[in-house]
Amino acid sequence: AQTVTQSQPEMSVQEAETVTLSCTYDTSESDYYLFWYKQPPSRQMILVIRQEAYKQQNATENRFSVNFQKAAKSFSLKISDSQLGDAAMYFCAYSGGSNYKLTFGKGTLLTVNP
Amino acid sequence: AAGVIQSPRHLIKEKRETATLKCYPIPRHDTVYWYQQGPGQDPQFLISFYEKMQSDKGSIPDRFSAQQFSDYHSELNMSSLELGDSALYFCASSLGMDRDYEQYFGPGTRLTVT
Repeated sequence: AQTVTQSQPEMSVQEAETVTLSCTYDTSESDYYLFWYKQPPSRQMILVIRQEAYKQQNATENRFSVNFQKAAKSFSLKISDSQLGDAAMYFCAYSGGSNYKLTFGKGTLLTVNP
Repeated sequence: AAGVIQSPRHLIKEKRETATLKCYPIPRHDTVYWYQQGPGQDPQFLISFYEKMQSDKGSIPDRFSAQQFSDYHSELNMSSLELGDSALYFCASSLGMDRDYEQYFGPGTRLTVT
């Protein structure tokens, strides 16, 4: 079974600085996607960024970028120029093989300090 | 832009009662996923439908059933409710059964079982 591991239950960053959230996964599939979702206090699930496994280039969305290391099965999220609105729970998620469901990690609670 | 609609947003039930959660996907979306997020937990996949047929099944209790109707809305029926069923239930919809298509999450239904 596919598993997603987030080893940092909590992280904090100063406003305007950079923070990296870690995620590792385990799969035997060759066709899969990886995602980072943000869940603010409103509990809404918001897609931040996604990466197709077959693409070597790391995905980037404005201040958010990933470091995808396929061989190491690592998928970290870097948030640059952190803003107060970035404070939220961040979930790493996987979807692969014949399954289209999302499998989530346990989450990392990010605090942004002013 | 239209989003996924879930109703009700909040629901309070007593043990052994039944509950029905409804999900209205984004127009033209034919795929629906249901997830359960317990307090302090990551979302867990329950069940999914594509073109009104069940496409995948996760850790959904036998007390729960779900279906997708001709207008693509979906309902999750929960019977003999237990305290442990208290959770946030998300519905997500996508344009098709393909990882290229993003899963858009609804705001969730918060179910409290007393």
